[in-house]
Amino acid sequence: GIQVEQSPPDLILQEGANSTLRCNFSDSVNNLQWFHQNPWGQLINLFYIPSGTKQNGRLSATTVATERYSLLYISSSQTTDSGVYFCAVASGTYKYIFGTGTRLKVLA
Amino acid sequence: NAGVTQTPKFRVLKTGQSMTLLCAQDMNHEYMYWYRQDPGMGLRLIHYSVGEGTTAKGEVPDGYNVSRLKKQNFLLGLESAAPSQTSVYFCASSPQGIEAFFGQGTRLTVV
Repeated sequence: GIQVEQSPPDLILQEGANSTLRCNFSDSVNNLQWFHQNPWGQLINLFYIPSGTKQNGRLSATTVATERYSLLYISSSQTTDSGVYFCAVASGTYKYIFGTGTRLKVLA
Repeated sequence: NAGVTQTPKFRVLKTGQSMTLLCAQDMNHEYMYWYRQDPGMGLRLIHYSVGEGTTAKGEVPDGYNVSRLKKQNFLLGLESAAPSQTSVYFCASSPQGIEAFFGQGTRLTVV
């Protein structure tokens, strides 16, 4: 099956700093999503981005499907950005496979 | 429009007991999924359904059964709970297997 690797596993930032999270996947995919799991455990959809670039406020994402990776950019980080960021990919079987996540802590 | 709703939110079971988790979605999505999340890990797929009356196994199906008798509901059953099934369970739905939307999770403890 598809393997999904996320890096870095842990990240600590000062408020206001920028960061880049990476998701590598081992095979071609039809779908890719980024999620934020907040400290209360909720999974929040950030981007549905099987290819190309999208932006939403301070967050943006880029997926280069041909090279099998996706990047999530967080600019001017805030304490509310803390939590775990997951990348999930799906191939033609429509089963989303999750990476193990990047745990982000933003310090005030 | 509630999205994806999971019932119950918390549950404690004794080893060997049975229970059913209910997932309901009001978005008329074809695809529904059950995942489990263990500490420090990503989500792993238990079972999924690509339409009413269909089910299929995911990565970790052992010890679980599912049913999709109605399009809007996807039930996850544990016939004889084991401590290894202590986890947080997430349900998700998706239109045609595209973007997935998740419920708030069910925290299950088996003692």
